[in-house]
Amino acid sequence: NAGVMQNPRHLVRRRGQEARLRCSPMKGHSHVYWYRQLPEEGLKFMVYLQKENIIDESGMPKERFSAEFPKEGPSILRIQQVVRGDSAAYFCASSPAAGSDTGELFFGEGSRLTVL
Amino acid sequence: SQQGEEDPQALSIQEGENATMNCSYKTSINNLQWYRQNSGRGLVHLILIRSNEREKHSGRLRVTLDTSKKSSSLLITASRAADTASYFCATDRVGSTLGRLYFGRGTQLTVWP
Repeated sequence: NAGVMQNPRHLVRRRGQEARLRCSPMKGHSHVYWYRQLPEEGLKFMVYLQKENIIDESGMPKERFSAEFPKEGPSILRIQQVVRGDSAAYFCASSPAAGSDTGELFFGEGSRLTVL
Repeated sequence: SQQGEEDPQALSIQEGENATMNCSYKTSINNLQWYRQNSGRGLVHLILIRSNEREKHSGRLRVTLDTSKKSSSLLITASRAADTASYFCATDRVGSTLGRLYFGRGTQLTVWP
């Protein structure tokens, strides 16, 4: 049973370019979360999605950032017109559908974005 | 804002010794979780303790929770070099979105062989 799969693992972009990060949740999981980790810091919540729905995006910057989790395919975190401050590790996590109340999140290995 | 705050920020011990990390938080919680992160890797869930629990064990891990002091501790007994990693506490706040966790900055544990 594959875990949460994220790609790319490393991404380098120049200022002003777009970054697209992909996440496939664990099999059977329909809840996807994106977190961001700046160097030497803990993770900060960005957005929570279920299939075709954004449930909570209050942690995501209003501009340049967007997320989706389509009916088919992986969840995508998109950052437009990247700036140096976007350099960070972006982690995706998933959890099972309703019925599991353990609260545990299953994390991917992360996508490390470097903006030159 | 950050929710959990771990201390110490860094801890260096010898193999076989016990490692204790602490976490404090500010608001009411449903549960508190500890995660481990190896350098350059993702987070791995270690243990979850609910707000109505005071102590929990899992293998060499022991977690305590004191809701009156809004604090938790993670004890790793008989540490091994392979325990070297960053350890984060994360809180599930009362009233917060399902799965939205608030992480501290972490404790960097180094275990010397």
